[in-house]
Amino acid sequence: AQSVAQPEDQVNVAEGNPLTVKCTYSVSGNPYLFWYVQYPNRGLQFLLKYITGDNLVKGSYGFEAEFNKSQTSFHLKKPSALVSDSALYFCAFSNDYKLSFGAGTTVTVRA
Amino acid sequence: DAGITQSPRHKVTETGTPVTLRCHQTENHRYMYWYRQDPGHGLRLIHYSYGVKDTDKGEVSDGYSVSRSKTEDFLLTLESATSSQTSVYFCATLDPTDTQYFGPGTRLTVL
Repeated sequence: AQSVAQPEDQVNVAEGNPLTVKCTYSVSGNPYLFWYVQYPNRGLQFLLKYITGDNLVKGSYGFEAEFNKSQTSFHLKKPSALVSDSALYFCAFSNDYKLSFGAGTTVTVRA
Repeated sequence: DAGITQSPRHKVTETGTPVTLRCHQTENHRYMYWYRQDPGHGLRLIHYSYGVKDTDKGEVSDGYSVSRSKTEDFLLTLESATSSQTSVYFCATLDPTDTQYFGPGTRLTVL
């Protein structure tokens, strides 16, 4: 079965340090991959997506993600984390216009 | 949030009662979706619609029905609510770039 996995339930970083949230995929063909963020008591906000083309995708709020076909990964990165980046992050893939999500990674950025 | 509203935003009901959640969009998007969010599961697709009166089941459709009589409205009905349906429900629409955007969510508690 096709899926995405987020191997870390939680990520803790200090403000100003690089932030990485990991996602691996098991999707046949050319995967459409997405990252969403959910702030407390809010809906999901779209961050970025990979459809085709450049493996490095830039998105909202200074986030970027690198599509790596050989490692079947799509990790989310930010060079310098902010306390306001503390949230729940979801990786997802699209199959026939339907999204399937990973379980989510809670990011805590400490001041 | 791409012009998506959900009502009600919070609801407490009792086991065995019917419940209807409403999703309204102003973007005239063809595809609409209902997801539920539970800890440890990310978001899971309940039902989706690809046009007026055109709907199909998702991953966790048992106990739920949907209707779409107008492009802008997508209703989710729990015919007889159970405690296992206590969850946060999100509606989404698909924009022309194949990106899903989400509503603010409805928190449903079934006692």
